[in-house]
Amino acid sequence: QKEVEQNSGPLSVPEGAIASLNCTYSDRGSQSFFWYRQYSGKSPELIMFIYSNGDKEDGRFTAQLNKASQYVSLLIRDSQPSDSATYLCAVINFNKFYFGSGTKLNVKP
Amino acid sequence: KAGVTQTPRYLIKTRGQQVTLSCSPISGHRSVSWYQQTPGQGLQFLFEYFSETQRNKGNFPGRFSGRQFSNSRSEMNVSTLELGDSALYLCASSYGTSGGDEQYFGPGTRLTVT
Repeated sequence: QKEVEQNSGPLSVPEGAIASLNCTYSDRGSQSFFWYRQYSGKSPELIMFIYSNGDKEDGRFTAQLNKASQYVSLLIRDSQPSDSATYLCAVINFNKFYFGSGTKLNVKP
Repeated sequence: KAGVTQTPRYLIKTRGQQVTLSCSPISGHRSVSWYQQTPGQGLQFLFEYFSETQRNKGNFPGRFSGRQFSNSRSEMNVSTLELGDSALYLCASSYGTSGGDEQYFGPGTRLTVT
């Protein structure tokens, strides 16, 4: 079983819609949770991190963490074509990062 | 604040050679992690250095090694290169402490082994 699981997609949403990206993790002791965006040919860019249960909002992005269900999600409101990228979920456990394989998001104009 | 820098950005080597990649972290960051990214395997963790000590290690053969200097700059070395080592090598830096562990990636070094 992988430490972090993501649906590889692609997830297609129309411009202006809400994109919902999901991630599950296997180790209940995981402490910190991150979302990265990676454009093709570029390195991952940190867009959100969350440490506590609940929601954390930053502009059009909302990260949601449910430790009981071992589930992290990222909502992108008012999706734009420029949001089209691969989104990587990552968790930390004892100073070690575990990355999911990423979900490819396509936002159609 | 300047971001994470990596040199060189591109590298072409032949099988059997060795290569050294360099990473300069964000000022104040003491942790540097290295990753290999390939289309088939995604992001694979190589190792992490914190205050000049290897703190974590992934499941890569001993041909992959690294070190960190007192100024937190890090180098990664791959010896006896194989075709399968062709990949994007990314380094990421962080403060490396609880509550300050978000990692920021450099632009990567794209290594091609022929």
